[in-house]
Amino acid sequence: DADVTQTPRNRITKTGKRIMLECSQTKGHDRMYWYRQDPGLGLRLIYYSFDVKDINKGEISDGYSVSRQAQAKFSLSLESAIPNQTALYFCATSDSPGQGEKQFFGPGTRLTVL
Amino acid sequence: RKEVEQDPGPFNVPEGATVAFNCTYSNSASQSFFWYRQDCRKEPKLLMSVYSSGNEDGRFTAQLNRASQYISLLIRDSKLSDSATYLCVVTYYGQNFVFGPGTRLSVLP
Repeated sequence: DADVTQTPRNRITKTGKRIMLECSQTKGHDRMYWYRQDPGLGLRLIYYSFDVKDINKGEISDGYSVSRQAQAKFSLSLESAIPNQTALYFCATSDSPGQGEKQFFGPGTRLTVL
Repeated sequence: RKEVEQDPGPFNVPEGATVAFNCTYSNSASQSFFWYRQDCRKEPKLLMSVYSSGNEDGRFTAQLNRASQYISLLIRDSKLSDSATYLCVVTYYGQNFVFGPGTRLSVLP
């Protein structure tokens, strides 16, 4: 089984709709991240969480919110989707500094906002 | 200036060739460095960490020059399966991983 899973894998929605993307991990990592990837722009950080009580904005948090329901779960919400939020979204986890720091990614969610 | 910059590519090389990618970073306090590989429409996967003394993993060699804030990845004897986008990543004590835009490699038969 995959260590980091994302649901849904693909989603098409309309402008103005509320969308939630979910991420679960079995790696036991405290740190979780949400990124979006657009062609030619690379990965950009939306939000990150270093433990259940910690939520931090990333580079491009406007229009997004997150919830860290448990160590293993980190959800990303688009309260009112707009077309320029069409992108590939990745969830990632990492261990704490000193434990390797490597990031492990979920398979991605391809979101299209019409 | 972007925090992490990479050769724009794409690199088109024949099988068996040696190819090198460069990456520069702007934050001199950066502590950890990585190369990730990303296949088309797939998630990034860790290729290798980059250590100060340089390190090798099979056909892949990574080097770090802290003074010049420069990281490189060398791939020897390129295989068709090496075709992917290679992402340079830097982080400061595990605080926010910063990804470069990636360099695309196509290995041609």
